[in-house]
Amino acid sequence: LAKTTQPISMDSYEGQEVNITCSHNNIATNDYITWYQQFPSQGPRFIIQGYKTKVTNEVASLFIPADRKSSTLSLPRVSLSDTAVYYCLVGEGPMRFGAGTRLTVKP
Amino acid sequence: DAGVTQSPTHLIKTRGQQVTLRCSPKSGHDTVSWYQQALGQGPQFIFQYYEEEERQRGNFPDRFSGHQFPNYSSELNVNALLLGDSALYLCASSHDPDRATEAFFGQGTRLTVV
Repeated sequence: LAKTTQPISMDSYEGQEVNITCSHNNIATNDYITWYQQFPSQGPRFIIQGYKTKVTNEVASLFIPADRKSSTLSLPRVSLSDTAVYYCLVGEGPMRFGAGTRLTVKP
Repeated sequence: DAGVTQSPTHLIKTRGQQVTLRCSPKSGHDTVSWYQQALGQGPQFIFQYYEEEERQRGNFPDRFSGHQFPNYSSELNVNALLLGDSALYLCASSHDPDRATEAFFGQGTRLTVV
């Protein structure tokens, strides 16, 4: 399983764009990159998944460079309600979570 | 669609007792995974069930066991409870055990062992 590294915490202000980068140097050829969001006392929620280049949905964008050894989750114009823990996962089969990135959005 | 439902939402047990947690997967999903999440940590994978069989298991002792029923619902059993078993237990369902498909999580069961 590919090991992932992401910042422990990040702070931002309402209305800003937030970029969270995840490193996964030993990603395998068939591995997808998936991001989840978790609020306190709730289960994680799927945000976005990608394999290469760029993926965008109504919530976020995911940027993956050609070597796929890292990925960046981009949250446009965050609000206070985006305060949560964000997890980067790489691989197939059952998800293995790390500690995630605790994003705090301030007014 | 009710999504993933877990019961009970909260539970208090005494050390040494046994507990059973239940999970109903999202409609159309046949794969159920269980996770333990201690305060301030990420969810830790316990095991995954597919076709009523345990397919993969994380680094958890045999005190943790499970079952999947023909309707794809699942149970997590923990025997001889320890104080350290206090955590949020999460169930996730998906429709493919081998692919990194989108998984849906329940709200979890908060277990407190005293």
